[in-house]
Amino acid sequence: AQKITQTQPGMFVQEKEAVTLDCTYDTSDPSYGLFWYKQPSSGEMIFLIYQGSYDQQNATEGRYSLNFQKARKSANLVISASQLGDSAMYFCAMRETLSNTGKLIFGQGTTLQVKP
Amino acid sequence: SAVISQKPSRDICQRGTSLTIQCQVDSQVTMMFWYRQQPGQSLTLIATANQGSEATYESGFVIDKFPISRPNLTFSTLTVSNMSPEDSSIYLCSVQQAGRGEKLFFGSGTQLSVL
Repeated sequence: AQKITQTQPGMFVQEKEAVTLDCTYDTSDPSYGLFWYKQPSSGEMIFLIYQGSYDQQNATEGRYSLNFQKARKSANLVISASQLGDSAMYFCAMRETLSNTGKLIFGQGTTLQVKP
Repeated sequence: SAVISQKPSRDICQRGTSLTIQCQVDSQVTMMFWYRQQPGQSLTLIATANQGSEATYESGFVIDKFPISRPNLTFSTLTVSNMSPEDSSIYLCSVQQAGRGEKLFFGSGTQLSVL
């Protein structure tokens, strides 16, 4: 069965420093996608970055990059040059693309606090 | 990305009443979904909204409690029926946008409190 694990309930980082949020996954499907979302206190879910299982290079979107290690089944999010506005809950999620259901399986989330 | 408008953004409702949440997208999407996020929890898929046919519900969710409509490619509604305090959650619509591959985007969410 699909599973997403985020082992860090909470993280602190100093403003302007980089931080890595961990995510491991489990699936038997050879084709899948991995997502990271940011959820501020307002409750909206903001798409950050996507990595397909067959993508050769790690995904990057501005200050966000995804450290994809397929053999280890990990998809860690790296945020560079942290800003105060980065303080939020971060969710890792997976979608099995062959099934085409669109269903996302989410991890339990990591709360990130950026210190000034 | 698509602009996904969700209404209302929040509401406080009485037990036993129903609330309909709207999700409007500014461009055609291939798939639309409804998720629930209970307090302090992660997101759980309620159902896939199918255009012109009945929604496909996940285990633990039923049509009588969460009726869904999707009359066209850009609009869907989720109704939370006969509400109880346990229905207090954030409800979010999610879309797969044509031409954006496998990426899924979310609306701004509806924060529902049931008294």
